[in-house]
Amino acid sequence: DTAVSQTPKYLVTQMGNDKSIKCEQNLGHDTMYWYKQDSKKFLKIMFSYNNKELIINETVPNRFSPKSPDKAHLNLHINSLELGDSAVYFCASRSRGYNEQFFGPGTRLTVL
Amino acid sequence: KNEVEQSPQNLTAQEGEFITINCSYSVGISALHWLQQHPGGGIVSLFMLSSGKKKHGRLIATINIQEKHSSLHITASHPRDSAVYICAVSGTDKLIFGTGTRLQVFP
Repeated sequence: DTAVSQTPKYLVTQMGNDKSIKCEQNLGHDTMYWYKQDSKKFLKIMFSYNNKELIINETVPNRFSPKSPDKAHLNLHINSLELGDSAVYFCASRSRGYNEQFFGPGTRLTVL
Repeated sequence: KNEVEQSPQNLTAQEGEFITINCSYSVGISALHWLQQHPGGGIVSLFMLSSGKKKHGRLIATINIQEKHSSLHITASHPRDSAVYICAVSGTDKLIFGTGTRLQVFP
């Protein structure tokens, strides 16, 4: 009964490929996020969606396109992968009016 | 300069020691979070606080809003406390993270 789940957990791919990471939450939350954690373990927000609507886009290259088919899902599609995209990507969610966020297990993306 | 600063970056302790990790921030916040990330990679929320002090088991978190400072204390540390501890602040709908403190507790 994982609250926030991500697939896949590991993703190894070649430069130039297109890949997707999926995120689902079963908490009934309104807001979902994508964060990127670099090799130094520093976390930074990429996107935020509230009820399927994009709220935050933190100067992420437009090769990254989030898609929210419904408020329980926020997927991340990445085109033309580059070496610098290698990182751990975390999905998170929270309920409206409440600050605590719940994190998914992370997806480790390695671009070769 | 990061909007959220943590110290120390790395911390080594012997089992049983009292540990303090500090966090300072420079932005207006609605809440401050302490997160734990184990070597396996998952992130767990330890505390969310906007004033005063909270305690959960051997963990204590305090915040001073006027001084824009928070501390996370671990009493009677144990090797299983070894992890990266991350301070984050929430303002307008997003979290801003500190750089994390890597804690290693040796038996």
